[in-house]
Amino acid sequence: GAVVSQHPSRVICKSGTSVKIECRSLDFQATTMFWYRQFPKQSLMLMATSNEGSKATYEQGVEKDKFLINHASLTLSTLTVTSAHPEDSSFYICSARRQTGSYEQYFGPGTRLTVT
Amino acid sequence: GENVEQHPSTLSVQEGDSAVIKCTYSDSASNYFPWYKQELGKGPQLIIDIRSNVGEKKDQRIAVTLNKTAKHFSLHITETQPEDSAVYFCAATPLYSSASKIIFGSGTRLSIRP
Repeated sequence: GAVVSQHPSRVICKSGTSVKIECRSLDFQATTMFWYRQFPKQSLMLMATSNEGSKATYEQGVEKDKFLINHASLTLSTLTVTSAHPEDSSFYICSARRQTGSYEQYFGPGTRLTVT
Repeated sequence: GENVEQHPSTLSVQEGDSAVIKCTYSDSASNYFPWYKQELGKGPQLIIDIRSNVGEKKDQRIAVTLNKTAKHFSLHITETQPEDSAVYFCAATPLYSSASKIIFGSGTRLSIRP
């Protein structure tokens, strides 16, 4: 099967600091990765689409300067939350799509971010 | 753009009974409809999917049906077990390109009563 990992699984940071979350496709190459945010008891909200070697495409209302996305290789995408605030506390989930262009997305286990 | 509505938001069924979750979508260009199961504190897991060229797909106790004319699709879980308790999301992909986005429904919290 297709496995996607995220690191860290949980992170607590102080307000004003930055935190980086990694998303890796372990056994396949992913030209496209997606970043979602999920608040408690809500659905997944797409933040941005990350294509390997190019700039990410952000959804409306998502600040690109606050949520920095880098997709430097076919197996790694990173999301950096800059100058984090308590309202950024959420569950961040990435997903990856195979390079073959199939529709299936494989989701990572998520990262719980708490900003104090 | 695509909009996916999901009902009910919560569902409680007796162990052994069936559970049905229904979704509607708005964009007739959608051609791929996955269903995800999310357990507490974990990422979503794909449990079954269906493409627009078929009307039904079954995998053991799980089945999905699609009515393209009505833009409805449903998840059916038979002989429910306690481990089926989770949040289920339907989704639709409106585009044909590999960069297409998956649009999620609002989720259904399924509880299986012992």
